[in-house]
Order: sequence, then structure tokens, then C-alpha cells
Amino acid sequence: QKEVEQDPGPLSVPEGAIVSLNCTYSNSAFQYFMWYRQYSRKGPELLMYTYSSGNKEDGRFTAQVDKSSKYISLFIRDSQPSDSATYLCAMSGFSGGYNKLIFGAGTRLAVHP
Amino acid sequence: GAGVSQSPSNKVTEKGKDVELRCDPISGHTALYWYRQSLGQGLEFLIYFQGNSAPDKSGLPSDRFSAERTGGSVSTLTIQRTQQEDSAVYLCASSLVGTSGGRGTDTQYFGPGTRLTVL
Repeated sequence: QKEVEQDPGPLSVPEGAIVSLNCTYSNSAFQYFMWYRQYSRKGPELLMYTYSSGNKEDGRFTAQVDKSSKYISLFIRDSQPSDSATYLCAMSGFSGGYNKLIFGAGTRLAVHP
Repeated sequence: GAGVSQSPSNKVTEKGKDVELRCDPISGHTALYWYRQSLGQGLEFLIYFQGNSAPDKSGLPSDRFSAERTGGSVSTLTIQRTQQEDSAVYLCASSLVGTSGGRGTDTQYFGPGTRLTVL
């Protein structure tokens, strides 16, 4: 079993829809939770970062962490075609002197006009 | 400012050949990471450099893979005797600090990657 599980999709939604992306994990030592967005032929870029449990909102994006269930989510409101990308969850815990990131497989999202 | 750059952007090689992939991190970043991204597999950690400390090589899949970082800046990932299963996108990232004493995490900035195809 992988440490981080993420449904690869693809997920196709109409413009304006609310998108829900999720990851589950098995390592209870993870403390930091991130969402990266990766456009085609580009490197990932950090979208959201959350420490421990709770919610964090940034514009149309909301990240949720439920450590008791080992489950994290990213919600995108009023989705736009420009949101079409692969979304990768990543998490880390302090180990071996630094925070090593463990990534999910990524979910491909397509928002169509 | 300039981001992380990688070269070449694409590399096609024949099975058994050696390849070198280059990464130029953001100036002033002390930590540098290499990842491999295979189709549908997400990012797989390969190696981590932090300042002058010994690198964390725990993610290198075999002894055909090696990496070095000269002068605390540019890094080269070398794959010897390439195999078809080495075909993937190799991503480099850098961050300001790397270690954070468990108090937080600093952002990793990724380059565009090198797409390696082994025929």
C-alpha cells in the first residue's frame, strides 16, 4: 500500500462547478499537507499549504485536513478552464533532519467551457 | 526573478548509454531535490542535498543512478547504462532552507523537468 493514495482521474467538470479533490494517507507522523498544481509540460507549483488539521482558504481554493481520518481535500469553487491541470497532494513529517515530501499520484482535472 | 532551470528539456537515448541531467537552482537556495515522475505515478523522491552535508541518497533506485552538487549550486544527475524503465520526467526542486527543525516546511520550487526517453 502506498503511503499516499490519490485517485488519478481524469475528472471532467463544466465551468463554474465546485471541484473536490482528495487524498488519503497512512503515516500518522505527517504534519504538513500541501497541494501542488502542475500544468502540462511544467513543474509543479505550490498552491496551498496547511499545518495539522483544519481548513485554509485562499480565494476560490479551500484546503481541508482531517488527521483523525487521515484524509485531506482541496475544493475549487467557480472552476475555470484555466484550472485545468494535474493536482498533486503532498505531505511531510520531520524525519532524518528535514521535511521529506511524499506525493500522491496526482488527479488530472479538465474544466470545460 | 529566475526560477529553477533544467537542461536538456528533452533527452532521447539508446538503452545502455549514460545520460547527464543538469539542474540550476534558485540563487541562494541551500537545499536541492531530485524527483522522478513516471506516467500516473506521481513524484518519486530520488536525492536531497543540503549545504555541505552528506546528501540523502535513500531514494535512488539503483547504483546506476548518482548525483552531485558542485559548489553548493548546480547539480547533475547521472544515469549509467540506461534502461527502458528509466524513461520518465526528472524534476529538480530547490528551497531556501531545507531543514526547518520540525517547526515548519519551506516551499520547494520546481523546474520544468527533463523528459527522458530510453529506446
